[in-house]
Amino acid sequence: DSGVTQTPKHLITATGQRVTLRCSPRSGDLSVYWYQQSLDQGLQFLIQYYNGEERAKGNILERFSAQQFPDLHSELNLSSLELGDSALYFCASSAQGAPNYGYTFGSGTRLTVV
Amino acid sequence: SQQGEEDPQALSIQEGENATMNCSYKTSINNLQWYRQNSGRGLVHLILIRSNEREKHSGRLRVTLDTSKKSSSLLITASRAADTASYFCATDSYNNDMRFGAGTRLTVKP
Repeated sequence: DSGVTQTPKHLITATGQRVTLRCSPRSGDLSVYWYQQSLDQGLQFLIQYYNGEERAKGNILERFSAQQFPDLHSELNLSSLELGDSALYFCASSAQGAPNYGYTFGSGTRLTVV
Repeated sequence: SQQGEEDPQALSIQEGENATMNCSYKTSINNLQWYRQNSGRGLVHLILIRSNEREKHSGRLRVTLDTSKKSSSLLITASRAADTASYFCATDSYNNDMRFGAGTRLTVKP
């Protein structure tokens, strides 16, 4: 157990639907990062939050949004889902806003869009 | 966009042999990190090397960094079947977030 909790572990949904992925960071970590991992795209950085505020943005589609709540857990919302959104979605956390230390990853949510 | 690129894409060796994986990156960095991922699982942080360091050791792992060539290598000595996994390098970007390469898939045969 890495200390980063992601739910659900698996999600199967239909095209056009909307889902919410949840991440609880390791205790004491202020930063949360979301990554998408698919076979053909590798590990793509989506977005980072630090202590409730958006810190950095990567290749996140407009159909996707995220937020970090006062208790520091984060949610990634994916809407108008397409087949190509099927992937593993990872959350990672770190103590500070800059990657001067290693990230701690959760075990991921496997999203399948049918 | 990707920052690091690992080489080779796949590597197959016998147990007890050493495994070397390389990583090249494009822009200047503050640090470079290596991670391991077992199939379908989360990534596990292995080692971090800062831009002012040239070599770092952790158990059977040895990492080197050459900032003039914008490259790093990860050496796993005396490999074991349990080392079978994908290995990723990651570098910080101008945004201070981490960007990962496509990974090297290592297979260690018993």
